[in-house]
Amino acid sequence: EVQLVQSGAEVKKPGESLKISCKGSGYSFTSYWIGWVRQMPGKGLEWMGIIYPGDSDTRYSPSFQGQVTISADKSISTAYLQWSSLKASDTAIYYCARHDSSGFPDYWGQGTLVTVSS
Amino acid sequence: DIQMTQSPSTLSASVGDRVTITCRASQSISTWLAWYQQKPGKAPKVLIYQASSLENGVPSRFSGSGSGTEFTLTINSLQPDDFATYYCQRYNTYSGTFGQGTKLEIK
Repeated sequence: EVQLVQSGAEVKKPGESLKISCKGSGYSFTSYWIGWVRQMPGKGLEWMGIIYPGDSDTRYSPSFQGQVTISADKSISTAYLQWSSLKASDTAIYYCARHDSSGFPDYWGQGTLVTVSS
Repeated sequence: DIQMTQSPSTLSASVGDRVTITCRASQSISTWLAWYQQKPGKAPKVLIYQASSLENGVPSRFSGSGSGTEFTLTINSLQPDDFATYYCQRYNTYSGTFGQGTKLEIK
């Protein structure tokens, strides 16, 4: 069974760093892209970027380029989304999703709530 | 960058109704379109992929159609569990722009 299990909710202060995770199981982790999606409170879904764990090829939405870093550790089948300096506007739920060969996000994680508040 | 525009943003309907949600792409995306249902506090649930293919386990009252720049999601005979927010998404290997969402409310 394909599963993506994300790390737990985080509460951080502005300016702090953060790395959240998405662990894949039940499939060949290095053979599928993993993407990240943001959902701000009460708002819609926004596609952030994607990584191919097999070779760490990474692409970002122009809206998120330079704002976050996507990475992966294929030895532990885990993808990451990280911030070096959080802002209050980073408060959101973040979802990871596995993408099939056409780019379709066929399996989703449960989401990680990130709250940034002083 | 390709933009996805959904309409309407809010839709009021009754149990048993047939409803249609439209998604338009700013340029042709062939059939690389998915539809999702999302309920509060939950991850999006895949309904339709490649514009018209029903995801396993999704009731047959959901259907998708379209190609190029115009797409529709139709729900026949609305059930109480269907009241939620629906999103379209254009996807390919390197990007995945979403529509702004349609909230389906009980009339």
